Amino acid sequence: EAQVTQNPRYLITVTGKKLTVTCSQNMNHEYMSWYRQDPGLGLRQIYYSMNVEVTDKGDVPEGYKVSRKEKRNFPLILESPSPNQTSLYFCASRGGEGGYEQYFGPGTRLTVT
Amino acid sequence: AQSVSQHNHHVILSEAASLELGCNYSYGGTVNLFWYVQYPGQHLQLLLKYFSGDPLVKGIKGFEAEFIKSKFSFNLRKPSVQWSDTAEYFCAVGAGSYQLTFGKGTKLSVIP
Repeated sequence: EAQVTQNPRYLITVTGKKLTVTCSQNMNHEYMSWYRQDPGLGLRQIYYSMNVEVTDKGDVPEGYKVSRKEKRNFPLILESPSPNQTSLYFCASRGGEGGYEQYFGPGTRLTVT
Repeated sequence: AQSVSQHNHHVILSEAASLELGCNYSYGGTVNLFWYVQYPGQHLQLLLKYFSGDPLVKGIKGFEAEFIKSKFSFNLRKPSVQWSDTAEYFCAVGAGSYQLTFGKGTKLSVIP
């Protein structure tokens, strides 16, 4: 089954404790992306990757890092989480130019206290 | 950079009522347009998309949208909503190769 998986699905952590949210897709997609969803703000793109070792900032990259060492994986790293990073995070992937459908993961709800 | 505006934050309808959700974008070039739906507690799913051809596109579950280039609009419609359509709806614009910009979403509540 074609899918995007994320782990963990729920995470509660404390300020400053480094964490990684993993994202993996099994569709051999070139393009992957991370979004955060906040009430009233919709989805905002954090980082995206056009292929292995090619990443770029989205609209709200501050406080986040990503890496793309393999095509299928695109982890999101919070080196020093802060309460304003409490949010719902979605990973997405797609195969080609902008006309192709983005497939979303199930989401990771992160709470930073 | 492109931007997307969804006019309504929250729409409340009775079952069988007709639905139209507004979406306007700003971008001067060729765009790809999408509507996604997010049911409570779930991830986003694609309802429909437009990138060329017939400006009236049909999606899943009886939804359709019309691309009006002169108005920079891509409104979502459904002639008769059901309680199961209760969800949040996001319009999105893809311009260029890789970035997708989302609107802030419209919550739809359908009352049985």
